[in-house]
Amino acid sequence: NAGVTQTPKFRVLKTGQSMTLLCAQDMNHEYMYWYRQDPGMGLRLIHYSVGEGTTAKGEVPDGYNVSRLKKQNFLLGLESAAPSQTSVYFCASSYDWRYGETQYFGPGTRLLVL
Amino acid sequence: GIQVEQSPPDLILQEGANSTLRCNFSDSVNNLQWFHQNPWGQLINLFYIPSGTKQNGRLSATTVATERYSLLYISSSQTTDSGVYFCAVDGSGNTGKLIFGQGTTLQVKP
Repeated sequence: NAGVTQTPKFRVLKTGQSMTLLCAQDMNHEYMYWYRQDPGMGLRLIHYSVGEGTTAKGEVPDGYNVSRLKKQNFLLGLESAAPSQTSVYFCASSYDWRYGETQYFGPGTRLLVL
Repeated sequence: GIQVEQSPPDLILQEGANSTLRCNFSDSVNNLQWFHQNPWGQLINLFYIPSGTKQNGRLSATTVATERYSLLYISSSQTTDSGVYFCAVDGSGNTGKLIFGQGTTLQVKP
């Protein structure tokens, strides 16, 4: 049982390049989330999903897109990377937040946009 | 939107000391969690505690929802307790859209 995994762990992009971050969970969780963490700050929600085939915007969605084609995977895409997107990205999942299930976090992806 | 404020921002303790971390939130919440982010960046859930009191070993937490605050107690601190402690709340109606505080950075010295 690997829990929540993220790929890649670290990436350097040039401004304007695109990339996709992959989050995978093997706990059969319904809910999945993408957060970003900037230095000295707490996490901010980018997008989330309440089930396979669903996505919704969080607090800071601009510049990102997401897809949840399979229940176990949640993809975060950057179409045209900007230096302001330099951050650490965390994925999380939970079984059903309505019943107080806690969120389990992946190890994070460190992204540097030059 | 809902605001979450944590205090103190930084805390330095000697090993064995006790501490209390506070989380204030500006509106009623459905859920509240405490997380520990270790020095390697991993986030670990400590407590899911929208109200009441819970204990887990040397850690305990109390949330007084009517007064909009939560406290995290760390007793007999150890160097492994170092890291950042985050409080996060969900005021959106149980969608899991957590709003995080800025965190309390704890350093425990041997």
